[in-house]
Amino acid sequence: SYELTQPPSMSVSPGQTARITCSGDALPKQYAYWYQQKPGQAPILVIHKDTERPSGTPERFTGSSSGTTATLTISGVQAEDEADYYCQSTDRSATLAIFGGGTKLTVL
Amino acid sequence: EVQLVQSGAEVKKPGESLKISCKVSGYNLTTHWIGWVRQMPGKGLEWMGVIYPGDSETIYSPSFQVHVTISADTSINTAYLQWSSLQASDTAMYFCARLNGAIDYWGQGTLVTVSS
Repeated sequence: SYELTQPPSMSVSPGQTARITCSGDALPKQYAYWYQQKPGQAPILVIHKDTERPSGTPERFTGSSSGTTATLTISGVQAEDEADYYCQSTDRSATLAIFGGGTKLTVL
Repeated sequence: EVQLVQSGAEVKKPGESLKISCKVSGYNLTTHWIGWVRQMPGKGLEWMGVIYPGDSETIYSPSFQVHVTISADTSINTAYLQWSSLQASDTAMYFCARLNGAIDYWGQGTLVTVSS
């Protein structure tokens, strides 16, 4: 079965840059989407179609994709960015959606 | 304003049936795919399946295909997720979600607890 692989956790200090990766064989053909989820809340979309920021997403959030890896970069991390981050995409046939396992970002 | 409002928390016993709902407003249910996402306690998001209420086409993730049913009633702008026989392992938060390429709107979640 198709999988998207993310690092389980990451720690950064305020003001530093966090780069969260998502690896999957179908990513060269399918878009990656990124969601932020804080405890007790529903997720929210922060990046769509690999690189696009929805209105409301701070400019410090950027997305990129190269080959089989998509990356969410948070520049100048703030305490409020502490959350779980999930990538999401589809398999090669675009019929099955899937989430990565999630990355817990801790702001030290 | 688009809103997805889910039914309230449920406590059930193993073997019981359950149907939870997701009522949408601010747009016509028939125009977008609606999906269901499971989040078990302390775990990540899992895609369960989607329905296109306009023609009732439904696609299930293989892990969920035999255990749940996704449906929709366009007359009342509501999507559903149902189980015929719950198991303790179904204890989780369940989110409905509107697909517009990405998931652009989420319900608030329905907590389902299955315990004897």
